[in-house]
Amino acid sequence: AQSVSQHNHHVILSEAASLELGCNYSYGGTVNLFWYVQYPGQHLQLLLKYFSGDPLVKGIKGFEAEFIKSKFSFNLRKPSVQWSDTAEYFCAVHSNFGNEKLTFGTGTRLTIIP
Amino acid sequence: DTGVSQDPRHKITKRGQNVTFRCDPISEHNRLYWYRQTLGQGPEFLTYFQNEAQLEKSRLLSDRFSAERPKGSFSTLEIQRTEQGDSAMYLCASSFKPGQGFDQPQHFGDGTRLSIL
Repeated sequence: AQSVSQHNHHVILSEAASLELGCNYSYGGTVNLFWYVQYPGQHLQLLLKYFSGDPLVKGIKGFEAEFIKSKFSFNLRKPSVQWSDTAEYFCAVHSNFGNEKLTFGTGTRLTIIP
Repeated sequence: DTGVSQDPRHKITKRGQNVTFRCDPISEHNRLYWYRQTLGQGPEFLTYFQNEAQLEKSRLLSDRFSAERPKGSFSTLEIQRTEQGDSAMYLCASSFKPGQGFDQPQHFGDGTRLSIL
């Protein structure tokens, strides 16, 4: 069975600080990886995804993530955060075949202090 | 708005009552998923449809839960004899079936928050 771990439950940063949120997954086969963001009062939105190819993927709003297969990791990064990045961030994975059901981590709440 | 639409946004009911939620996916999408999210957790998969066929149900989906997608468009999720533990946010998502030439992820609705008194 797939599982996803997000070890940072709540992260507080000042504006312009750099961000890295950890995500590790457990699955023996080929996976597709995602980061979703949920802004206060809004629905889950896709930040970025990795299906294949370059393990460094760039998403919206200046976010990027690196897939490191040997570490089963897909950490999210942003060099300089803004107050508007305050949100909940979810890492998710699904297998590369079958029903594509997503397995999510427990989420990381990010608070940016102006 | 051409996103995934869910109704109602919030449902409050007494324990033991039946409730039904509706999801309207993005019209071109042939896959529809239901997830449940409780406080402090990420969404958990419940079931999914490809067109009108329900192809998988999670063990989380007890016999009191039933989902339908009768014409391959909108879907309903019904919970019978609700219990306190059913209180959660119920999320719907839709996507294209993989292999159709679209590299598209799942798109989520705003969810229906269920509160059991």
